[in-house]
Amino acid sequence: EPEVTQTPSHQVTQMGQEVILRCVPISNHLYFYWYRQILGQKVEFLVSFYNNEISEKSEIFDDQFSVERPDGSNFTLKIRSTKLEDSAMYFCASTRDANEQYFGPGTRLTVT
Amino acid sequence: AQSVTQLGSHVSVSEGALVLLRCNYSSSVPPYLFWYVQYPNQGLQLLLKYTSAATLVKGINGFEAEFKKSETSFHLTKPSAHMSDAAEYFCAVSDLAAGNKLTFGGGTRVLVKP
Repeated sequence: EPEVTQTPSHQVTQMGQEVILRCVPISNHLYFYWYRQILGQKVEFLVSFYNNEISEKSEIFDDQFSVERPDGSNFTLKIRSTKLEDSAMYFCASTRDANEQYFGPGTRLTVT
Repeated sequence: AQSVTQLGSHVSVSEGALVLLRCNYSSSVPPYLFWYVQYPNQGLQLLLKYTSAATLVKGINGFEAEFKKSETSFHLTKPSAHMSDAAEYFCAVSDLAAGNKLTFGGGTRVLVKP
């Protein structure tokens, strides 16, 4: 059964460093998403991406964040200058029909 | 703005007993509603969804949920809990006007006692 994959599973970085979180969505899906979950808090929407552009973004998704689909298979989330409060589990999701979203296993980002 | 409230951050049930997880939502438009389950160290797996068809929705692993518009609720039930049901459960509502982003509730962690 096709699944969304994410790498790395755990990323440790120092404050101020750039990180890139990678996702491979299910191959025939058209809509892509990033969510995050700070430890002990709700899963929060960050951004949605369709037809090679951002379709919606949350207040969290400020200028420090960017997304890209560089090669038709990967979907990346970049944080330019990480802060302590960016420490969270980041989930990628994809869907074919803007309905049922399939989630990856997540990347745990730890900023020290 | 849409919101989801899950009553009870932790629920403890005995094996074989009824599982009832409560979810209330607010939405200005007819909602699409979802229940996801998260097992330890895994991603979110869809249990079931409501997309304006039948109000009683059946999902995987014996779970079902009933959409009640008058109560703005979408409670999740399973008649008989199994040890493998121990996990965290999230209710979510989809915003069709905003890229179909999901707004999640706070989650309910289920503990199943033997």
